[in-house]
Order: sequence, then C-alpha cells, then structure tokens
Amino acid sequence: GENVEQHPSTLSVQEGDSAVIKCTYSDSASNYFPWYKQELGKGPQLIIDIRSNVGEKKDQRIAVTLNKTAKHFSLHITETQPEDSAVYFCAVMDTGRRALTFGSGTRLQVQP
Amino acid sequence: DTAVSQTPKYLVTQMGNDKSIKCEQNLGHDTMYWYKQDSKKFLKIMFSYNNKELIINETVPNRFSPKSPDKAHLNLHINSLELGDSAVYFCASSPRVAGATDTQYFGPGTRLTVL
Repeated sequence: GENVEQHPSTLSVQEGDSAVIKCTYSDSASNYFPWYKQELGKGPQLIIDIRSNVGEKKDQRIAVTLNKTAKHFSLHITETQPEDSAVYFCAVMDTGRRALTFGSGTRLQVQP
Repeated sequence: DTAVSQTPKYLVTQMGNDKSIKCEQNLGHDTMYWYKQDSKKFLKIMFSYNNKELIINETVPNRFSPKSPDKAHLNLHINSLELGDSAVYFCASSPRVAGATDTQYFGPGTRLTVL
C-alpha cells in the first residue's frame, strides 16, 4: 500500500512569513494529492489539491507543487496570518485501495 | 446548512458497552467513509460505502460494523468497546465512487472516550 511521509511535524513562523510543508509518497501510480487543514475540534477541510497531470497549482496565498519523478509534493503558504494556525495534512489517493492515505500532520503556529 | 453531520459529538462510555455513531450527508454524494484519528492525530480509513455497498474494509476488528440504510447515511456500531477504541471518529463523503479524484468532505467528528 501507499506510504506517505510528512515533514516537519511542527512549524512556527512569524506573521507575514512563508511556510512550507513537504510530503513524499511511495506509489508512482498515485494520481491525486490533496491538502487538508484541521482546526481544533473540527474535521479536516480541503484547502487545495493537485492531480498528476500538473506540476503546480495556486489559490491566492496557497500553492502546491508536485514532482512526480521524485514522488514528493509541497504546500506553500505565503504571507501567513494567525488564522492559518492549524494542523495540516497531506494525502495521497492510493489507487489500489481506492482510499486516501494521510501524512502524519504538521502543526503550524503563526506568531502575531 | 451542515453538509456532513455526525451525532453525538462526544461519547463517554464504559469498557464492554456497545455504542453507535450516526452520520448523514446532504450533498447527494455516492460514497461515504469512516476514519479514525488517534491521540497522535493519525488519520486512517476504516470503511467506505458506495451507494450502500461496502467498498473498503480495512483491517478493523469485527467489533466495528458499519451500516448504510441509504446513500445519505452511514452509521458505525461498535460492540464490546475497549480502551484502545478511544479516538475521534470522522465521517466523510465524496461525490463519486471511492478511488476517484474527488474532494472528500469531513464531518465535525465524534470524540469517543472509553473508561
């Protein structure tokens, strides 16, 4: 099955700085890579996703890059704000199991 | 309007009891899921149903039994609860069949505590 590794586990940045979270995966057949944000006491919410036919996708302050050859993808948040503080999860669609495999999560703290 | 709802939000019970968690989605999606999030925040798929048919059944103890009366509902029944079952359980749904590159929409979670 798919194996997803996520780094770092915690990340503290100053408001206005950028934050980068990285994930690697094992199955070269995987074709869908979403990122979820989980706030305290809530369920994960999709913030951006990318499919294997593109290398980069951007939505305002959030961007995701995908390197299929190296089997890694990254989340980039620019101009961070305190409300960006949350746990972020990468995920990969395991085409064999037909299920998302999640990374272990990154706790992002944005200091005002 | 809540897209994916779960009840109850909190569930505290004794070891050995049987309990159920209910989930409903009003998005018209075909597929529903149950995930378990442990104390270290690891999120892991347990089950998925596509239009009332079981698609994914991970290596979950058979004390856990999902039931889907219709495609808008997926309930989770747990027999003989154990301490290790303490976790947050999330229901989710997605538009098409499991494995499609669709957004999954998560419910607010049910925090189960087994004493």
